[in-house]
Amino acid sequence: DVKVTQSSRYLVKRTGEKVFLECVQDMDHENMFWYRQDPGLGLRLIYFSYDVKMKEKGDIPEGYSVSREKKERFSLILESASTNQTSMYLCASSLPGTSGENEQFFGPGTRLTVL
Amino acid sequence: LAKTTQPISMDSYEGQEVNITCSHNNIATNDYITWYQQFPSQGPRFIIQGYKTKVTNEVASLFIPADRKSSTLSLPRVSLSDTAVYYCLVGEAGYSTLTFGKGTMLLVSP
Repeated sequence: DVKVTQSSRYLVKRTGEKVFLECVQDMDHENMFWYRQDPGLGLRLIYFSYDVKMKEKGDIPEGYSVSREKKERFSLILESASTNQTSMYLCASSLPGTSGENEQFFGPGTRLTVL
Repeated sequence: LAKTTQPISMDSYEGQEVNITCSHNNIATNDYITWYQQFPSQGPRFIIQGYKTKVTNEVASLFIPADRKSSTLSLPRVSLSDTAVYYCLVGEAGYSTLTFGKGTMLLVSP
């Protein structure tokens, strides 16, 4: 059974803390994605990666960075967490492609609260 | 970036057919159209994908007109367990000029 796992389901952090969200996939997928999901706003792409050490900005990259040192792992980093980064964070992976021809497999999400 | 456009919410009753339409006027020539379903506290999961005309699988049908500027997800004979948020995605996230829309919250009542 294919799987995308995220390091935490729930996380509470303080303003100014550095936060790491980890995502691991076991499908040998080239593409990996980080989204945030907020009520009324749907899914918004933060960053994506199409290969090891490669990263591209999505729609809302400000305040975030990413790291992909190994093919199976894609990390989202909040350098200095702020309250407006309180959200649900979803990781996804897919086979390579640029036209959406391959489905994305999503993790269960991490609900981050920044106090 | 333009977004896909879907109705924010829809209501239905068990046993009815539900059609959810997504507008994507700026779809690129090579882009596929994919629909996802999301239950509370879970990540979205794939339902169906198409490029043109009609696609059918065991859970849904997808209708795409010739101009491909919209698509309609059809759920036959919905049940209470179909209550979820449905998203359409056009193209590949990050490459497409279109993004995930805000999704359609479908509520199925007895």
